[in-house]
Amino acid sequence: NAGVTQTPKFQVLKTGQSMTLQCAQDMNHEYMSWYRQDPGMGLRLIHYSVGAGITDQGEVPNGYNVSRSTTEDFPLRLLSAAPSQTSVYFCASSYSLWDETYEQYFGPGTRLTVT
Amino acid sequence: DAKTTQPNSMESNEEEPVHLPCNHSTISGTDYIHWYRQLPSQGPEYVIHGLTSNVNNRMASLAIAEDRKSSTLILHRATLRDAAVYYCILIANDMRFGAGTRLTVKP
Repeated sequence: NAGVTQTPKFQVLKTGQSMTLQCAQDMNHEYMSWYRQDPGMGLRLIHYSVGAGITDQGEVPNGYNVSRSTTEDFPLRLLSAAPSQTSVYFCASSYSLWDETYEQYFGPGTRLTVT
Repeated sequence: DAKTTQPNSMESNEEEPVHLPCNHSTISGTDYIHWYRQLPSQGPEYVIHGLTSNVNNRMASLAIAEDRKSSTLILHRATLRDAAVYYCILIANDMRFGAGTRLTVKP
């Protein structure tokens, strides 16, 4: 299994540009989520999904869109990039969050800089 | 959502045990206690979790207070590779991280 993969690893955007961060998992996990981590800080939840076709907002959803058309993929879209979105973005997945015994697996992260 | 409180940083010597505390005084009866750690420049990784009883696995032990208002992650023999930020998390409808404890291991 490749686990959780994220692309790209690094990205530089100009203010106002849009882009999609890709996340895929090959473990047949129902639950997927996106976090951002600003320098020296903990992770903050952006959006999550409990299965294909179902998404919900986390702590900091503004400026981001998500969709979940397949079990495997959970892309994160930045609609109009702002310098405040400069961060490292992590995608995670698990079998289920409703069963709290399951662990989450994290991807390696995408480091995004907005100038 | 129930919140957790951890010290900002701790230091340990290599080969010695480390006890990382976490307070969660507002925990509800069904909240699992999870611990993750984040090595430098990597995504978080699962360490251990528990509900009421103490738990052991190959990475660490988790000691949970009888009233469940606090827990302690125990690394039995710290190595340099254990230097990381350790997060104590209560799972509710989603998983939210606090600031964690930055563990420094000195040779």
